[in-house]
Amino acid sequence: QVQLVQSGAEVKKPGATVKVSCKGSGYTFTNYHIHWLRQAPGQGFEWMGIINPRGTGTAYAQKFQGRITMTRDTSTSTVYMELSSLISDDTAVYYCATTGDGLYHFDSWGQGTRVTVSS
Amino acid sequence: QSALTQPRSVSGSPGQSVTISCTGTSSDVGSDNYVSWYQESPGKAPKLIIYDVTKRPSGVPDRFSGSKSGNTASLTISGLQAEDEADYHCCSYVGNHIRVFGGGTKLTVL
Repeated sequence: QVQLVQSGAEVKKPGATVKVSCKGSGYTFTNYHIHWLRQAPGQGFEWMGIINPRGTGTAYAQKFQGRITMTRDTSTSTVYMELSSLISDDTAVYYCATTGDGLYHFDSWGQGTRVTVSS
Repeated sequence: QSALTQPRSVSGSPGQSVTISCTGTSSDVGSDNYVSWYQESPGKAPKLIIYDVTKRPSGVPDRFSGSKSGNTASLTISGLQAEDEADYHCCSYVGNHIRVFGGGTKLTVL
């Protein structure tokens, strides 16, 4: 079955950049788009963007435009999410997820990566 | 502040039913049938429990059901069990890959 495994927790200072990875297994990596979402403490989920592992494009939420980059490495079935110019409000758990064969719902999630932004 | 509005908490006793509402607008919940619900338990990845408003993925008990009326979607859990205690999140697709979520509802099984 689809499995997404994310990199470990990160602690960053304000202004720094974080890069989180998400490795897919149990399926053909290029078949499913990968989304990134986050959940700040005590808040709901927030959709950040999507990457097509075939390399045909990305789309980002307007809120993150200019400081988010999603990339992929098909040789390792891994996608990356890089967020720059970090502020304390970026402290959250970051998730990757796929929509699988569906289009509108997330049927598989990574375990989450906690990112703490603190001076 | 989340785009969709959910109650912060609900509670019920074992065996009872609870309903969690998710209110949006005609641009999200009310615009199509792409509302999904996720169960979030401590230390676990979020789990899809309802999609396309009313559909259940394989393996999700039929105690979980979804519905929608106008701009409000609802998740009903019948025959509450202790293991149902978790946070529940609604989500709506709004086009151009974008999804919006509610703030989450904490379900307490008394």
